[in-house]
Amino acid sequence: DTGVSQDPRHKITKRGQNVTFRCDPISEHNRLYWYRQTLGQGPEFLTYFQNEAQLEKSRLLSDRFSAERPKGSFSTLEIQRTEQGDSAMYLCASSGISTPLHFGNGTRLTVT
Amino acid sequence: DQQVKQNSPSLSVQEGRISILNCDYTNSMFDYFLWYKKYPAEGPTFLISISSIKDKNEDGRFTVFLNKSAKHLSLHIVPSQPGDSAVYFCAASASNSGYALNFGKGTSLLVTP
Repeated sequence: DTGVSQDPRHKITKRGQNVTFRCDPISEHNRLYWYRQTLGQGPEFLTYFQNEAQLEKSRLLSDRFSAERPKGSFSTLEIQRTEQGDSAMYLCASSGISTPLHFGNGTRLTVT
Repeated sequence: DQQVKQNSPSLSVQEGRISILNCDYTNSMFDYFLWYKKYPAEGPTFLISISSIKDKNEDGRFTVFLNKSAKHLSLHIVPSQPGDSAVYFCAASASNSGYALNFGKGTSLLVTP
């Protein structure tokens, strides 16, 4: 199966620590997205890459959040100085041109 | 501001009957609409989509209807099966926004035998 892969599946960290998540998109997809989902809500858009260029960022993406996609392949999402409000499921998705988004199974972050 | 609204948090339907899930949107710039299905501990899975130039799209047991004037879309599942039990998310995007999807809060569908 060559779907979207996210690592780790679960992360528990203490408030104030930095965390980094990785996403490997479907290989032929040039678009990559990060979303966040909290309990009882739908996924909320965070940021979007086309190849290595970060083209769109939500206002939800505070300056403690940074995403990269070097060489237009895998992507990382880093959260610095984590807060309890950052606890959520972080979803990565990829797509080709004019194709629906395919989501990974997410990374569940718990900040204690 | 919630631009995509799914006002029914849950729905229970008997196996074999029709399931109708509803979705409303407020942004008139939205021109592409999708339904995703989500099982626990998995990411959302694409189900069916419709562009604003159409009012109906069908794929097997799943049909999506779009009423642009009412800013309303619905997903019909006929016949419903127990394996359809999941959370269904409605999503919308505007082609001038980089294709970022705006999701509703989801409707939890339970199909009972």
